[in-house]
Amino acid sequence: QQQVKQSPQSLIVQKGGISIINCAYENTAFDYFPWYQQFPGKGPALLIAIRPDVSEKKEGRFTISFNKSAKQFSLHIMDSQPGDSATYFCAALPIKAAGNKLTFGGGTRVLVKP
Amino acid sequence: KAGVTQTPRYLIKTRGQQVTLSCSPISGHRSVSWYQQTPGQGLQFLFEYFSETQRNKGNFPGRFSGRQFSNSRSEMNVSTLELGDSALYLCASSLAPRGYGNTIYFGEGSWLTVV
Repeated sequence: QQQVKQSPQSLIVQKGGISIINCAYENTAFDYFPWYQQFPGKGPALLIAIRPDVSEKKEGRFTISFNKSAKQFSLHIMDSQPGDSATYFCAALPIKAAGNKLTFGGGTRVLVKP
Repeated sequence: KAGVTQTPRYLIKTRGQQVTLSCSPISGHRSVSWYQQTPGQGLQFLFEYFSETQRNKGNFPGRFSGRQFSNSRSEMNVSTLELGDSALYLCASSLAPRGYGNTIYFGEGSWLTVV
């Protein structure tokens, strides 16, 4: 059962454009939603994270939008740069439950063309 | 401050053998979790340890096991290796098992190829 669905699987954006990645979850116990960036040969690195009591969070060129009623959240990469070319994973964590068991989306491979 | 360190980074094993992977968490971190990453299944949770106790376990067969030592370092073991066990095995650490400010950091992983 895929509890976090991520789309698209891949996207190509021109330098300076906006990359948008969407995720939807089913488990209402999830209440912490991090995004990870992964470059080839490297482990995932935390990019930005949001809690469900916040509808939007911005850090530099990266913004998370969160819609609790729709159980959806998205990552916007503004002014995309070639260095942003990587695979992005959304994830969800049931904070109130015991443990750090992250459930990941399937990933989105982003290619930013110069 | 050193990050999560995993050893070995690359290894090749033969089907039927067993393998042990090691993880040193960030200094002061007491929670360690393991994930398997494959092109087909993506990132999947294996298990989590805190204070030398397994706190959570994912849907993997009993061939996959782990442990945590008193210094928070962790090892995972896969016995009777199968071709499908070829994957990137990622270790992650955090200060504690729960909490919003509890960032989870990943290591660079151990690439396992089973032939």
